[in-house]
Amino acid sequence: DVVLTQSPDSLAVSLGERATINCQSNQSVLFRSDNKNYLAWYQQKPGQPPKLLIYWASVRESGVPDRFSGSGSGTDFSLTISSLQAEDVAVYYCQQYYSSPQWTFGQGTKIEIK
Amino acid sequence: QLQLQESGPGLVKPSETLSLTCTVSGGSISFSPYYWAWIRQSPGKGLEWIASVFYSGSTYYNPSLKSRVTISVDTSKNQFSLKLNSVNAADTAVYYCSRASPVYLGWFDPWGQGTLVIVSS
Repeated sequence: DVVLTQSPDSLAVSLGERATINCQSNQSVLFRSDNKNYLAWYQQKPGQPPKLLIYWASVRESGVPDRFSGSGSGTDFSLTISSLQAEDVAVYYCQQYYSSPQWTFGQGTKIEIK
Repeated sequence: QLQLQESGPGLVKPSETLSLTCTVSGGSISFSPYYWAWIRQSPGKGLEWIASVFYSGSTYYNPSLKSRVTISVDTSKNQFSLKLNSVNAADTAVYYCSRASPVYLGWFDPWGQGTLVIVSS
């Protein structure tokens, strides 16, 4: 199984400051044949379903603000919010599809306002 | 715009069968290149993919649940369904239906609002 471990579990950031969440995989999710990282990021606000933010590790979904960015390759990935807004308070999850159709998710990282 | 809506009982007794249906609107399940999925979220285990189905009936299951799960599709009703038998308290969760991106069986988008299922006598 591909196991994704996120860090930290929670993070308090001041408004306007940068927030970075990490996602580490126990095996590479980089598919050599197409040089793509099979990893996505989601945002989940209280009482709502997860919302797709990023796929292919760094491609923003249409309509996602450009303050959200994804980076990394192989086994280590990050989601960065460049300037935290109040509406970004949520839990963020990474998800791998390298081993699809056996999909797995990270345990989540909660972002709060400091 | 594609929308998904889960429906089913919110309370199931231990050892019984959990049955949920996802109704798809704004698009057709038939002949579309997507796998349709059930994913659950419980406080103890986070997000867990359960099963996926293609309009043709082809299925994939999470090995940890495979012995208890059946996923099926009804193209005439534009619905797909989940059955989880022999439930216990650990199956208490919010159950979501969603769609996996085509070709790569990748990310999930969109998601239904979710339905809370409590397993209790």
